[in-house]
Amino acid sequence: SYELTQPLSVSVALGQTARITCGGNNIGSKNVHWYQQKPGQAPVLVIFRDTNRPSGIPDRFSGSNSGNTATLTISRAQVGDEADYYCQVWDSSNVVFGGGTKLTVL
Amino acid sequence: QVQLQESGPGLVKPSETLSLTCTVSGGSVSSGSYYWTWIRQPPGKGLEWIGYIYYSVNTNYNPSLKSRVTISVDSSKNQFSLKLSSVTAADTAVYYCARQMGPLNWFDPWGQGTLVTVSS
Repeated sequence: SYELTQPLSVSVALGQTARITCGGNNIGSKNVHWYQQKPGQAPVLVIFRDTNRPSGIPDRFSGSNSGNTATLTISRAQVGDEADYYCQVWDSSNVVFGGGTKLTVL
Repeated sequence: QVQLQESGPGLVKPSETLSLTCTVSGGSVSSGSYYWTWIRQPPGKGLEWIGYIYYSVNTNYNPSLKSRVTISVDSSKNQFSLKLSSVTAADTAVYYCARQMGPLNWFDPWGQGTLVTVSS
């Protein structure tokens, strides 16, 4: 079965750029979606189809996808961006989630 | 603006059937444009997709849960439901319902989630 690999944690200094990766075999051929989940809350979509931001999501959030790695980039990181982030793809009509990455803003 | 709200028992005994309902407001569960999905998250762990329903009758389930899962729609109440049979402690999780934006697409929005504990 298809697997997505995310780092368990990523730290970023306040105001700097955080990059969260999502690795998978030829993931560049798939559409990748990203979700933000703050403690005690439901996940919220932040990027869909690799690079697209839903309305209401700041333009500090961006995505890319190529080869075996998709990346969620958060520019000018804020304390309010601290959360778990999950990538998601479809494989053979089934949903696959990455294991999640905890972002800490220092 | 579509909103989803889960409801159901917070405690289920082992071997029994877990039953949850998701009430949709601001949109129709009968719409062919969207799929209606269940996702769960064990405490402290990641997300696991359970399955979806669309056009009120077509379903697709996670192969690892398929033998125990049923998702159905009640159009008259604008709700869709999840039944998971023969539960064990491993089924303890926060259960989310969500709207899927068509085939092979993303989930948005999500309900707030409801914690179901399996324990005697």
